[in-house]
Amino acid sequence: AQSVTQLDSQVPVFEEAPVELRCNYSSSVSVYLFWYVQYPNQGLQLLLKYLSGSTLVKGINGFEAEFNKSQTSFHLRKPSVHISDTAEYFCAVRGGKLIFGQGTELSVKP
Amino acid sequence: NAGVTQTPKFRVLKTGQSMTLLCAQDMNHEYMYWYRQDPGMGLRLIHYSVGEGTTAKGEVPDGYNVSRLKKQNFLLGLESAAPSQTSVYFCASSPSFYEQYFGPGTRLTVT
Repeated sequence: AQSVTQLDSQVPVFEEAPVELRCNYSSSVSVYLFWYVQYPNQGLQLLLKYLSGSTLVKGINGFEAEFNKSQTSFHLRKPSVHISDTAEYFCAVRGGKLIFGQGTELSVKP
Repeated sequence: NAGVTQTPKFRVLKTGQSMTLLCAQDMNHEYMYWYRQDPGMGLRLIHYSVGEGTTAKGEVPDGYNVSRLKKQNFLLGLESAAPSQTSVYFCASSPSFYEQYFGPGTRLTVT
């Protein structure tokens, strides 16, 4: 069985500050890992994905994530956030089916 | 290239009424999915399809039916709507086992 836990439901941060959104997973099989972003009143958009290879994955809009197999984590980071990054972020894990975390609301304040 | 589109965008139903949500994709993807999104619960898979003419149950299939008569369309039906089905519904498609492409969503309220 698989599960995904996003450790923070809300993350407030000031503009130009760094941010980390945390995601832990559990699975008995090899997994593929994803981060999606959902802007208000829109569908989900793929930010980045880890399928294999380098554990540091770069995505769109300056985001990156690091796959840590020993800690079963896939945390999302951005060194300097903008107001436009305000959105909900979902971590997802695919072993068999695609399982989504509960989401983290990132709120960027001026 | 419109990607994934959903019809309608909003709908209000009374308890017991029926309706069909339409999802269409123009990317020739084999796989299509229906999810519901509820506050604090992420996305939960209702039904999915791995190709034209096939459907399968997801995590929360009760109260819903689906059909995939054409490769580009995936229909989600509610035969007798209940207030518990008030939610935002997302359709997605994918060309493979990996990432999915999502539509803009349908906001459904059942009173």
